[in-house]
Amino acid sequence: AQSVTQLDSQVPVFEEAPVELRCNYSSSVSVYLFWYVQYPNQGLQLLLKYLSGSTLVKGINGFEAEFNKSQTSFHLRKPSVHISDTAEYFCAVSVSYNQGGKLIFGQGTELSVKP
Amino acid sequence: NAGVTQTPKFRVLKTGQSMTLLCAQDMNHEYMYWYRQDPGMGLRLIHYSVGEGTTAKGEVPDGYNVSRLKKQNFLLGLESAAPSQTSVYFCASSLKPLSYEQYFGPGTRLTVT
Repeated sequence: AQSVTQLDSQVPVFEEAPVELRCNYSSSVSVYLFWYVQYPNQGLQLLLKYLSGSTLVKGINGFEAEFNKSQTSFHLRKPSVHISDTAEYFCAVSVSYNQGGKLIFGQGTELSVKP
Repeated sequence: NAGVTQTPKFRVLKTGQSMTLLCAQDMNHEYMYWYRQDPGMGLRLIHYSVGEGTTAKGEVPDGYNVSRLKKQNFLLGLESAAPSQTSVYFCASSLKPLSYEQYFGPGTRLTVT
């Protein structure tokens, strides 16, 4: 069965510092990989996704992620964070057409950016 | 475009009561999903639909029923609410599965006492 593990439940960081949110997945088949962001009291919105091709994927708001097949990882990075990046971030994989393309989510990482 | 909307935004139920959550999308998407979000557990799929008139079970379907009578609407029902169903419920829709983005509604916060 497929699973997603986000290695940090909370990440506090100062404004303008770099940040990395870690995500590992397990799957015996090819997957599509996503990062979603959830701002307080809102639904989720897509940050970026990896389908195929270049392993470095750029998303919105200056975020990027790198797909590493050998390490089954898809870590999210930003070189300089802002207060407005404070949110919960979810890594997800999409598998198996027969299951409606459902998303399997990690547990989430709360990013807290301090001034 | 309103995107994905959910009704109601908040609800408090007593154990044993029933209710229906409504999800509506105006993007002509075929695929619709209901997830629940619980602290430390991410989002888990309850039921999904691959088109009008079709529904299927996800990871945690027990205690819930769904219907997709119209393409734009996906209803989630709780026949006899239990405290374990206290959660935030999100509806999502997608044009196609797998590689396509899922668009999420703002969520419904349900408390069962």
